[in-house]
Amino acid sequence: AQSVAQPEDQVNVAEGNPLTVKCTYSVSGNPYLFWYVQYPNRGLQFLLKYITGDNLVKGSYGFEAEFNKSQTSFHLKKPSALVSDSALYFCAVSASSNDYKLSFGAGTTVTVRA
Amino acid sequence: GAVVSQHPSRVICKSGTSVKIECRSLDFQATTMFWYRQFPKQSLMLMATSNEGSKATYEQGVEKDKFLINHASLTLSTLTVTSAHPEDSSFYICSARVPGGSGNEQFFGPGTRLTVL
Repeated sequence: AQSVAQPEDQVNVAEGNPLTVKCTYSVSGNPYLFWYVQYPNRGLQFLLKYITGDNLVKGSYGFEAEFNKSQTSFHLKKPSALVSDSALYFCAVSASSNDYKLSFGAGTTVTVRA
Repeated sequence: GAVVSQHPSRVICKSGTSVKIECRSLDFQATTMFWYRQFPKQSLMLMATSNEGSKATYEQGVEKDKFLINHASLTLSTLTVTSAHPEDSSFYICSARVPGGSGNEQFFGPGTRLTVL
């Protein structure tokens, strides 16, 4: 079984401040980890993924995430948040097997105030 | 990146009618597509895995006779909500996996908002 936990329903930051959205996972075997962003009434947009290799992954729109195997975490970060980053963020995990299924966290609503 | 479209983006129907939602991969062939359901301010729940040329695999608790899935070609999967009722109102999102893609990555459609009156 595989699962994802996003412990924070909401994250509020001021524009220009660092943004962190937390994610921990549970999976059998090696994990494939993803972050997606969703704007109102829209589908999911891919931000970044960790498959293997360097633990620090850089993605779209200035976002990055760090894979920490010992803590089973994959927190999303952005050094300087923008108002336009306000959205719903989902962390997802897939096992390195061939069933291709993604399991999503509950989502974290990010609000960046001007 | 790979592009996935959905049609319609929004549909309103009367209770008891059937509604078909299309999911297309525009610039790649998708042997595997997925259908999700999302309630307001909640996460995505996987409903079924759609495999081209074979029967869909449904998740536990999803009625396969109510949510009919057809994956007739490598670029098209359809979800038909049969005899829809107000409790079927939701946001339905499809995704597609790029064959040979790394890490089971999926590309998502823009979603379809279904409202059953």
